[in-house]
Amino acid sequence: GAVVSQHPSWVICKSGTSVKIECRSLDFQATTMFWYRQFPKQSLMLMATSNEGSKATYEQGVEKDKFLINHASLTLSTLTVTSAHPEDSSFYICSATARQGVRTEAFFGQGTRLTVV
Amino acid sequence: AQSVTQLDSHVSVSEGTPVLLRCNYSSSYSPSLFWYVQHPNKGLQLLLKYTSAATLVKGINGFEAEFKKSETSFHLTKPSAHMSDAAEYFCVVTTYGGATNKLIFGTGTLLAVQP
Repeated sequence: GAVVSQHPSWVICKSGTSVKIECRSLDFQATTMFWYRQFPKQSLMLMATSNEGSKATYEQGVEKDKFLINHASLTLSTLTVTSAHPEDSSFYICSATARQGVRTEAFFGQGTRLTVV
Repeated sequence: AQSVTQLDSHVSVSEGTPVLLRCNYSSSYSPSLFWYVQHPNKGLQLLLKYTSAATLVKGINGFEAEFKKSETSFHLTKPSAHMSDAAEYFCVVTTYGGATNKLIFGTGTLLAVQP
């Protein structure tokens, strides 16, 4: 199947700093990428949907100024957690699909474990 | 609106015995349904998917699931559990319509396999 690479796999940062997470589709063009957050022992919560070349669509309750998403190319989307705080510590996962409006599979990155100290 | 309900948050089986992870869905459309597996601190791996073709879907690692429209169910089964099957399993339905498809995740079922 298609490969989605997420980097870094884990990061520790100080409170108040910003962290950027990258999500790359390695062997296909991802017109749509999704960013999820997963709390310990819970399901995945969709944060935002990102279409190449346009602004991301955020889910209700997700602060767009805190979680900046950029989808500048068909193979790369980034999530930047700005002014991170300990409550932002979580597991973040991206996924990518190749086409819109078609019953197609979403491919997931390996996830990024963010710890804010 | 689409939704999925995973009826068991935890399932424990003995190695070599059958596995049944239950999932019920709600959908206004003819849904696409998926089962994903997540090992600790890892991303998600697709086990199998139903997209309106055969109702009995075979996936990787010996898993299969049957789409039953009359029961709005998509239960995941495996005849014989292996220790390596211990993980979190998510039932997922896709919403269609509009410009973007979204995945709606169930709350997950943690499968424990006892030796």
